[in-house]
Amino acid sequence: EDQVTQSPEALRLQEGESSSLNCSYTVSGLRGLFWYRQDPGKGPEFLFTLYSAGEEKEKERLKATLTKKESFLHITAPKPEDSATYLCAVSVYGSNDYKLSFGAGTTVTVRA
Amino acid sequence: ETGVTQSPTHLIKTRGQQVTLRCSSQSGHNTVSWYQQALGQGPQFIFQYYREEENGRGNFPPRFSGLQFPNYSSELNVNALELDDSALYLCASSQDGTGELFFGEGSRLTVL
Repeated sequence: EDQVTQSPEALRLQEGESSSLNCSYTVSGLRGLFWYRQDPGKGPEFLFTLYSAGEEKEKERLKATLTKKESFLHITAPKPEDSATYLCAVSVYGSNDYKLSFGAGTTVTVRA
Repeated sequence: ETGVTQSPTHLIKTRGQQVTLRCSSQSGHNTVSWYQQALGQGPQFIFQYYREEENGRGNFPPRFSGLQFPNYSSELNVNALELDDSALYLCASSQDGTGELFFGEGSRLTVL
């Protein structure tokens, strides 16, 4: 069964203090790895898709990278508005649906 | 461009009752997925509809059922509600079922 594990569960940062979130996965045939951001009481918001090891994507202060077993979401010089839960998800080959299997998320709090 | 909208936003039911949740997909999107998110957990895939046909289902019992209409809007029905069904129910739309999902803000169901 596909497994997605995120660490740490929670991360408290000072504004400007860069850090990384980890997403490790065990799947048979990765179709894509996805990062989403979720604010309290809201639905997840799409950030990135990564398809192959070595791929990187960037958006403002966020950078996502992918290896064969894990992905990292790097937050550079975070601001309080980066506070959110960051969810990692995978989609695998072998089925006709594109279901995403999500991790439990990392809740990031950035203090001013 | 209209985003994904869900209704109702909050509802309270008692054990054994039935509930219908509704979703309007983003304009131009032909695929709708439903996810269940328990408190502190990542979303779990319930099922996906493509062109009015269910084309993928997660590990949920048959009392979870759905529909997609010709305008690509969708319903999630849950019969014989149980206490563990209390969760945030998220609808997400996409074009051709890719993993780049656009989520609504969810329907918060409480079962007493």
